[in-house]
Amino acid sequence: QSVLTQPPSASGTPGQRVTISCSGSSSNIGSNTLNWYQQLPGTAPKLLIYSNNQRPSGVPDRFSGSKSGTSASLAISGLHSEDEADYYCAAWDDSLNGYVFGTGTKVTVL
Amino acid sequence: QVQLKESGPGLVKPSQTLSLTCTVSGGSISSGGYYWSWIRQPPGKGLEWIGYIFRTGTAYYKPSLKSRLNMSVDTSKNQFSLNLRSVTAGDAAVYYCVRGIPAATSYAMDVWGQGTTVTVSS
Repeated sequence: QSVLTQPPSASGTPGQRVTISCSGSSSNIGSNTLNWYQQLPGTAPKLLIYSNNQRPSGVPDRFSGSKSGTSASLAISGLHSEDEADYYCAAWDDSLNGYVFGTGTKVTVL
Repeated sequence: QVQLKESGPGLVKPSQTLSLTCTVSGGSISSGGYYWSWIRQPPGKGLEWIGYIFRTGTAYYKPSLKSRLNMSVDTSKNQFSLNLRSVTAGDAAVYYCVRGIPAATSYAMDVWGQGTTVTVSS
């Protein structure tokens, strides 16, 4: 059972803005930076956002991350059909002494 | 461009040891302060962090797996490995080897292998 909670699903039409939440605690999001990963169907995950709001080279700027207290969000502005994937938040947890992933959110483009 | 590739048996019997190797190409495992990591994903489920090892051989394991787990690094072959003892059906998953980079108070996994499927069955 993950300590980072995400909604199981989210959806939108092309061009819409979609937001995914990630809820944690003081031992993970509250005290460490958060990362987001995108997993397209049948492929390995890919780093999407690191250190709360930084995009690796090559990640479109329609993806943005934010963090406040023990929660974080990933926003996709201007949804594209190729954004249909599973999204995971992740952070180090000081209490568990390990890296924890969120429960994952499946984004569907209608 | 750094690439990672997992190798190892796709089928392991219950109670035996799962051994996987990750070969790093396009870069040296000895360069930089990277976290050479293992992640797994059971069929139809989410991601689970297993642990990481530095080029020095210092490793950090998920506490619940620590008693069964050993990681090693071979800089001469540009490889790092995972050994998980006494496997059960619960260890069946796609196993990914991953490169991690420091990211403020955490670390982020920026290069992933394609993954290898491990089945546990007699």
